[in-house]
Amino acid sequence: EPEVTQTPSHQVTQMGQEVILRCVPISNHLYFYWYRQILGQKVEFLVSFYNNEISEKSEIFDDQFSVERPDGSNFTLKIRSTKLEDSAMYFCASSDRDRVRKEQFFGPGTRLTVL
Amino acid sequence: GDSVTQMEGPVTLSEEAFLTINCTYTATGYPSLFWYVQYPGEGLQLLLKATKADDKGSNKGFEATYRKETTSFHLEKGSVQVSDSAVYFCALQTDSWGKLQFGAGTQVVVTP
Repeated sequence: EPEVTQTPSHQVTQMGQEVILRCVPISNHLYFYWYRQILGQKVEFLVSFYNNEISEKSEIFDDQFSVERPDGSNFTLKIRSTKLEDSAMYFCASSDRDRVRKEQFFGPGTRLTVL
Repeated sequence: GDSVTQMEGPVTLSEEAFLTINCTYTATGYPSLFWYVQYPGEGLQLLLKATKADDKGSNKGFEATYRKETTSFHLEKGSVQVSDSAVYFCALQTDSWGKLQFGAGTQVVVTP
């Protein structure tokens, strides 16, 4: 069964460094999302992406964040200058256009640790 | 704004016990409601969903009914197994293909 994949599974970085988290959504899906989960807290929406542009973003998704679909298969989340509070599990999700299903399929996540 | 409230965990049960996890929501309009499950070390998997009032979602022995009058979507399973140990998240979605808004998650531990 097709699945969403994410790399790396764990990223350790120094505060102030740039990180890029990568996701490969399910191939025929058109809607893409990033969520994050700080340890012990709820899963929070960051951004949604459709037709090569951001559909919606949360207050968390400030100028330090950006998303891109560089090549038709990958979907990336970039954090330009990481902060300690960016440490979290980041989940990518994708969804197709099926009006009945509308299910978001999640990847296994990337654990980001900012030191 | 829209929000989801679910009971705090951890919930510890013996195998074959009955499980209920309460979930209530606040939303404008008529959201779709979901239960996702996160097994240790894995991502979120859709467990079941309901898209309109009185719909019942079911999967793997789990059930939840969309109750508009009580704005609830409680998850139930009649006889849990050790393999059901996981974190369960209630979520709502107000726009088609829009963001999911999650509750805090409830950890369930099933002991043999």
